[in-house]
Amino acid sequence: DQQVKQNSPSLSVQEGRISILNCDYTNSMFDYFLWYKKYPAEGPTFLISISSIKDKNEDGRFTVFLNKSAKHLSLHIVPSQPGDSAVYFCAASARVATGANNLFFGTGTRLTVIP
Amino acid sequence: EAGVTQFPSHSVIEKGQTVTLRCDPISGHDNLYWYRRVMGKEIKFLLHFVKESKQDESGMPNNRFLAERTGGTYSTLKVQPAELEDSGVYFCASSQATGLTSPLHFGNGTRLTVT
Repeated sequence: DQQVKQNSPSLSVQEGRISILNCDYTNSMFDYFLWYKKYPAEGPTFLISISSIKDKNEDGRFTVFLNKSAKHLSLHIVPSQPGDSAVYFCAASARVATGANNLFFGTGTRLTVIP
Repeated sequence: EAGVTQFPSHSVIEKGQTVTLRCDPISGHDNLYWYRRVMGKEIKFLLHFVKESKQDESGMPNNRFLAERTGGTYSTLKVQPAELEDSGVYFCASSQATGLTSPLHFGNGTRLTVT
């Protein structure tokens, strides 16, 4: 049973525009959320995170928004650049609630930024 | 600083054979994790070591999988005997501390194909 869902397998955006990647989760015990970026033949690399006590976290061109009531988070990239083309994974943790340190990942969204 | 390294990068074996995957974490990282991604699906947690101790092995699929981390340095993941459904990409990750602010650093993965 998948607890973190990324319903859009792919997204194409023009360079300079905003990319919005979405993620939904079902487990209300999740208290920390992360986005990872993955290039082909490489492992995921950490991008940005947000604690459940916040609703927004910003780091340069990347902003993550969290809507706890809707169990939804999104990653905004603005402006999008061709180098942002990669697969983006949403991940969640219930560490504060359960003590477990494992991450639950979504299936990923492939972002293509068109020059 | 060298990243997380995994060996081999690819492995093709026949059903019933044995395969051993190796992971060298970043030096000084006590926490080591194994994850697996089956084709097109989410990245799933397998287990977590703190130094040489198994902290959480709740994600291990069955007793055909054996993970070790002797001496608290590198880790191995053995699959014996391999089945077709074991095919996928096996990622190793490490972190300096066990905590939300200590992001996981992933290796490039081992792509395992069982025929």
